[in-house]
Amino acid sequence: ETGVTQSPTHLIKTRGQQVTLRCSSQSGHNTVSWYQQALGQGPQFIFQYYREEENGRGNFPPRFSGLQFPNYSSELNVNALELDDSALYLCASSLAFPRTEAFFGQGTRLTVV
Amino acid sequence: ELKVEQNPLFLSMQEGKNYTIYCNYSTTSDRLYWYRQDPGKSLESLFVLLSNGAVKQEGRLMASLDTKARLSTLHITAAVHDLSATYFCAVDGQGNLIFGKGTKLSVKP
Repeated sequence: ETGVTQSPTHLIKTRGQQVTLRCSSQSGHNTVSWYQQALGQGPQFIFQYYREEENGRGNFPPRFSGLQFPNYSSELNVNALELDDSALYLCASSLAFPRTEAFFGQGTRLTVV
Repeated sequence: ELKVEQNPLFLSMQEGKNYTIYCNYSTTSDRLYWYRQDPGKSLESLFVLLSNGAVKQEGRLMASLDTKARLSTLHITAAVHDLSATYFCAVDGQGNLIFGKGTKLSVKP
């Protein structure tokens, strides 16, 4: 059984650029959630995908968007990057029914310069 | 809106001492989680608490949940340096997790 894997592990982008982060969910899990963790803060919920549909969204602007694929892997896209987007982005996968604990990937450290 | 508050935010302990981290949350929830995070790393699951009065222990860490008081505690017994990390509690907000700000624990000899 493979765990949750994220790529890339580190990324540096310039303000105004676009970025795509990727997440492979744990085997058997059909729900993927994305979190943003700024330095020194707790993770903040961005959105969740269940069966390829967005299933809940936190307080993030529309330039944060996502996709989930038939194999339940997921992408997080951020357009028009801002300096404040610099953070650790965490992906977590879980099973919706019965609801299980979410397991986190190792994260992607995004730096916007 | 579900809010989660942890205290203290910073904790400097001596090895061998005991201490408790507190986690209060604002509305009812059926699940509470404790995570550990080392610098630059992801979240490591420590405990999942599902019911009122639940108590779980792993090594020097023990977590409990009082759903009526909306309070969870993480008790550290006889701290050792290896426990130095940031500890987060998180409450299940209908499918997504609401995290506290974390408690940065430093255990000194």
